[in-house]
Amino acid sequence: GNSVTQMEGPVTLSEEAFLTINCTYTATGYPSLFWYVQYPGEGLQLLLKATKADDKGSNKGFEATYRKETTSFHLEKGSVQVSDSAVYFCALLSGGYNKLIFGAGTRLAVHP
Amino acid sequence: EAGVVQSPRYKIIEKKQPVAFWCNPISGHNTLYWYLQNLGQGPELLIRYENEEAVDDSQLPKDRFSAERLKGVDSTLKIQPAELGDSAVYLCASSLERSDTQYFGPGTRLTVL
Repeated sequence: GNSVTQMEGPVTLSEEAFLTINCTYTATGYPSLFWYVQYPGEGLQLLLKATKADDKGSNKGFEATYRKETTSFHLEKGSVQVSDSAVYFCALLSGGYNKLIFGAGTRLAVHP
Repeated sequence: EAGVVQSPRYKIIEKKQPVAFWCNPISGHNTLYWYLQNLGQGPELLIRYENEEAVDDSQLPKDRFSAERLKGVDSTLKIQPAELGDSAVYLCASSLERSDTQYFGPGTRLTVL
């Protein structure tokens, strides 16, 4: 079945460091891929998405590229801020079912 | 534009008691979802509505969980009776029909003692 695997956290970085959070998926067909972010005490917010191979999603300095050959959708940011501290979820949308399959989440803590 | 509204935000109950959660989706969103999020895990879909019809409830434990969306807008998720293992965050989300973008509410954190 469809599944998403994320790197385990927590990821602890200093401000302005480079961020990578790995995400790989298993799916039949060609799912859409997403990164959601959950700030403390808040609901999940869509961060970025990509709907087909080689698409790059980007938002707020974060980027992720849909790599079909490696079934990956790694999240990157060149310079993190303290305000980026949150839990990040990678997810896929199984085609035709509107069913989001989430990874377990990766907690990011950024220190000044 | 108002987001997805959920209430209550927190609920503490004794085991075997009933509990209900309420969700008001974004105006105009005819698709509504209920997710369960256990501590340290990603959300898992419980049920999906298209208007007032439950089109995917395969993951809903029907022996104790029920849901309704009578007029195709607000929705209620109920647990009766609650068990210790039901302690989790219950998330509601909504989307436009055939859209791939879901908008999530803040969730209800349930603690069963």
